[in-house]
Amino acid sequence: GAGVSQSPSNKVTEKGKDVELRCDPISGHTALYWYRQRLGQGLEFLIYFQGNSAPDKSGLPSDRFSAERTGESVSTLTIQRTQQEDSAVYLCASSPSRGFGYTFGSGTRLTVV
Amino acid sequence: TQLLEQSPQFLSIQEGENLTVYCNSSSVFSSLQWYRQEPGEGPVLLVTVVTGGEVKKLKRLTFQFGDARKDSSLHITAAQPGDTGLYLCAGEDQGAQKLVFGQGTRLTINP
Repeated sequence: GAGVSQSPSNKVTEKGKDVELRCDPISGHTALYWYRQRLGQGLEFLIYFQGNSAPDKSGLPSDRFSAERTGESVSTLTIQRTQQEDSAVYLCASSPSRGFGYTFGSGTRLTVV
Repeated sequence: TQLLEQSPQFLSIQEGENLTVYCNSSSVFSSLQWYRQEPGEGPVLLVTVVTGGEVKKLKRLTFQFGDARKDSSLHITAAQPGDTGLYLCAGEDQGAQKLVFGQGTRLTINP
């Protein structure tokens, strides 16, 4: 596609439920990143994919968070047993390779009630 | 952990004024990028600077990378209401393949 697509754009879930967030990167972009942005704050790194491997998952806050990527295509970020502190905008970005700027999606706004 | 400190965090000025936003770190970065983010959207890349001392201009925006590649600045001349947004600097970690972001500068230009 022309840009990075994320779905859903908004998600309201009850505390304790699992959620799955999806990212479709730009075709041909081998690098894919997930970031979290809390209200009024900067971006917090979660995980980086090169192809379908994750060389850096150091930003995942807890073992409730996991992510996978199919080849050089779609990625899903899963949050199990959601907590209120998980409420944030989750942003996905892709890049042709290291050293290039990122193209971000519009994000998924997650609200845990 | 590499940190990028942006200042000021908030800036509200009148249309036509000039402004400078700063991005500082004690770490060296292989490159530094500036993004602009509007409400409900993801950040959009404005510029990438790679060489120490490099200056890049984008219309009324001037970006500078420090000689030691630890800091950067964004200068806007004759600000316009359309410049309103959240400006984020991001450094590429020399060892890891990810961007480290500053906390952002929220800029408001009043007509």
